[in-house]
Amino acid sequence: QKEVEQDPGPLSVPEGAIVSLNCTYSNSAFQYFMWYRQYSRKGPELLMYTYSSGNKEDGRFTAQVDKSSKYISLFIRDSQPSDSATYLCAMKGTWRGATNKLIFGTGTLLAVQP
Amino acid sequence: DAGVIQSPRHEVTEMGQEVTLRCKPISGHNSLFWYRQTMMRGLELLIYFNNNVPIDDSGMPEDRFSAKMPNASFSTLKIQPSEPRDSAVYFCASIQDTKVTEAFFGQGTRLTVV
Repeated sequence: QKEVEQDPGPLSVPEGAIVSLNCTYSNSAFQYFMWYRQYSRKGPELLMYTYSSGNKEDGRFTAQVDKSSKYISLFIRDSQPSDSATYLCAMKGTWRGATNKLIFGTGTLLAVQP
Repeated sequence: DAGVIQSPRHEVTEMGQEVTLRCKPISGHNSLFWYRQTMMRGLELLIYFNNNVPIDDSGMPEDRFSAKMPNASFSTLKIQPSEPRDSAVYFCASIQDTKVTEAFFGQGTRLTVV
């Protein structure tokens, strides 16, 4: 079983729709939960992160973490064609010797149709 | 800062040849990662350096793969001999230890082994 599981999609939605992206994980030592966005033929870029459980909002984006279920989500409101990209979840713990080790999901390809 | 710089951007080589990928991290970043990205497996961590020292190389697939970081501003990933199944996009990323959630990625090297 992979440490982080993510549905690869693709996910196609009309402009203005609410998008929900999700990941599950198995390692209870993960403390930092991140979402990266990757445009075609580019490297991933950090979108937002959450420490431990709870919600975090940044403009049209909301990240949620449910540690009891080992489940994280990213919501995009009023989606735009410019949001079309691959979204990768990433996680890390703070265990000794691997404090910066980032584990990624496989990524979900999102297409927002104008 | 120019960001993380990788070279070459594209590499096409014949099976059995040696391939060397290069990375220059962002100045002042303490940790450097090599990832491999494929459609099937997503973004896989190959090896992680902290202060130029390899911390975790458990993701290196075989002895054909090796990585070095002789100083804080340069790292190489070598594949010898290369095989068609090594075809992928290889990313280098760096992190400043005080901002442990934001990994900055290079543009990647697209490797094709024929």
